[in-house]
Amino acid sequence: QQPVQSPQAVILREGEDAVINCSSSKALYSVHWYRQKHGEAPVFLMILLKGGEQKGHEKISASFNEKKQQSSLYLTASQLSYSGTYFCGTDPLRGYGGSQGNLIFGKGTKLSVKP
Amino acid sequence: DAGITQSPRHKVTETGTPVTLRCHQTENHRYMYWYRQDPGHGLRLIHYSYGVKDTDKGEVSDGYSVSRSKTEDFLLTLESATSSQTSVYFCAISEGREIADTQYFGPGTRLTVL
Repeated sequence: QQPVQSPQAVILREGEDAVINCSSSKALYSVHWYRQKHGEAPVFLMILLKGGEQKGHEKISASFNEKKQQSSLYLTASQLSYSGTYFCGTDPLRGYGGSQGNLIFGKGTKLSVKP
Repeated sequence: DAGITQSPRHKVTETGTPVTLRCHQTENHRYMYWYRQDPGHGLRLIHYSYGVKDTDKGEVSDGYSVSRSKTEDFLLTLESATSSQTSVYFCAISEGREIADTQYFGPGTRLTVL
């Protein structure tokens, strides 16, 4: 039931791009993305809802393929501040088409951006 | 930043002792959550609350109990702490659930059970 994130870790140089993937075995109502820096709390980045609605940071982009039960987070022109661990949280779809409400988080993708 | 505080921020205790962690919010949000975070596991839901005195179990609730007597406070209790409960505990709040609202996390409590 826990979503699978890939890659587990990635190292970038400043200015390079990265894609982080999140794959679920269940149909999803929404996918949430968070970033956590070492020793700090997770910080909200984006929500992607079935049907196409998104809300979140302007400089972060993501996609949600409902049929494939997958989401991808796109980090372009990476900066040192992008370093951290990225988590996706999936919200499984209820039978009537609504949100289950509680998030199930993946194990995270550790992103390191070097100068 | 969402107004969420957790206390204590760090605690070391011995096996078999009771421990209570507190989460306090100033946002008047309806939903509150307790997660634990362990290396290699990500964030796992322990218990959540959808209103005063309304709580339910999450994925890893065994060995934990919760209480919410006021909107702003959500307490997590380990009745008899075990070494397997050594972890970082995060509280989160959200305005709603049905529309998949954003969850905002507190700063965390690092608990060590010896």
